[in-house]
Amino acid sequence: GIQVEQSPPDLILQEGANSTLRCNFSDSVNNLQWFHQNPWGQLINLFYIPSGTKQNGRLSATTVATERYSLLYISSSQTTDSGVYFCAGGSYNTDKLIFGTGTRLQVFP
Amino acid sequence: NAGVTQTPKFRVLKTGQSMTLLCAQDMNHEYMYWYRQDPGMGLRLIHYSVGEGTTAKGEVPDGYNVSRLKKQNFLLGLESAAPSQTSVYFCASSYLADPGEQYFGPGTRLTVT
Repeated sequence: GIQVEQSPPDLILQEGANSTLRCNFSDSVNNLQWFHQNPWGQLINLFYIPSGTKQNGRLSATTVATERYSLLYISSSQTTDSGVYFCAGGSYNTDKLIFGTGTRLQVFP
Repeated sequence: NAGVTQTPKFRVLKTGQSMTLLCAQDMNHEYMYWYRQDPGMGLRLIHYSVGEGTTAKGEVPDGYNVSRLKKQNFLLGLESAAPSQTSVYFCASSYLADPGEQYFGPGTRLTVT
């Protein structure tokens, strides 16, 4: 099955800094999602992005399906961005998402 | 629109006890999923359902059973709880196949002593 690798595993930023999180896939995917798990444990959908680029406020994501990776950009980070960011992918003819182990982000004032 | 809800939010069980976790969605989604999340790890799929009356095994199905008698509900059962089942359980649902965008419930924190 698909394997999902995320990097970096941990990231510490000062408020206002920009960051890029990466997600690599071992095989082709036709579903790619980014989630933010806040400090209270809630999983929040950020992007559904099997290919292309999307933006939502300070966050944007790009998936290059042919090269099997996706990037999540966080600009002008805020303390409320802290938490764990997961990417998850699913391949053709399956009904499942496979999750990476996440990037833990801490943003300090 | 409540989205995906889970009951209960917290539970403590003793080894050998049984319990059922309830997931409900009001988005008319066909697909529903149960995941578990252990410390420092991503989510792992336990069981899923592609429609009312269907269930299928995920990555870590042992020790769990599921039922989908109604389209909007997906139940996860632990017949004889073990300490290794201490985890946070998340339910999710999606409309499309292969798989579609999944929406998650708030989670159930289960401790087995």
